[in-house]
Amino acid sequence: QQQVKQSPQSLIVQKGGISIINCAYENTAFDYFPWYQQFPGKGPALLIAIRPDVSEKKEGRFTISFNKSAKQFSLHIMDSQPGDSATYFCAARWGADTDKLIFGTGTRLQVFP
Amino acid sequence: EAQVTQNPRYLITVTGKKLTVTCSQNMNHEYMSWYRQDPGLGLRQIYYSMNVEVTDKGDVPEGYKVSRKEKRNFPLILESPSPNQTSLYFCASRPSGGNTIYFGEGSWLTVV
Repeated sequence: QQQVKQSPQSLIVQKGGISIINCAYENTAFDYFPWYQQFPGKGPALLIAIRPDVSEKKEGRFTISFNKSAKQFSLHIMDSQPGDSATYFCAARWGADTDKLIFGTGTRLQVFP
Repeated sequence: EAQVTQNPRYLITVTGKKLTVTCSQNMNHEYMSWYRQDPGLGLRQIYYSMNVEVTDKGDVPEGYKVSRKEKRNFPLILESPSPNQTSLYFCASRPSGGNTIYFGEGSWLTVV
């Protein structure tokens, strides 16, 4: 199975709150799990990424939690800000030498003041 | 400035009229890809290329062709466009020694 299932489809969070987006996958051949942030009218941009041998990675307010046994990973945005309002995509890469990338369906995040 | 440049950014065309969307990157990246983005479906990979003259199918290659004759360019060709190819298209690139993918600004294509 090559799918990456992402939820929720949309998320509304108050400023200062925690935003959590979840993804699940089936294929154990995936070797790299990035998250992309996309603003309207722009291309996606890499936000943070993790490899399956690491359980957590934190960069500023953004944290990826990775559960290899459950085949799940999630993005946590702490102290969410209105500027974080965007669409977020999780993804999984098939292998470093193939560049084959499977994306989730996206989560539209709205952070209200 | 390091960038991935796509042209045209916006295009309305008619069914069956061949078109090419160009993509060029100035970062000397080995890997290049094309994606289409549709509401509720996220981004789906059409084709990718690992270097000059090396291409492979992604998840949704039907109706598309690509070529990689030069390292910097990776055009997407729609030989006979159909309305179901109406979408937002993104070109992307990354270096072989890195994981960060750089996306272009996108090309809105409407086939009527």
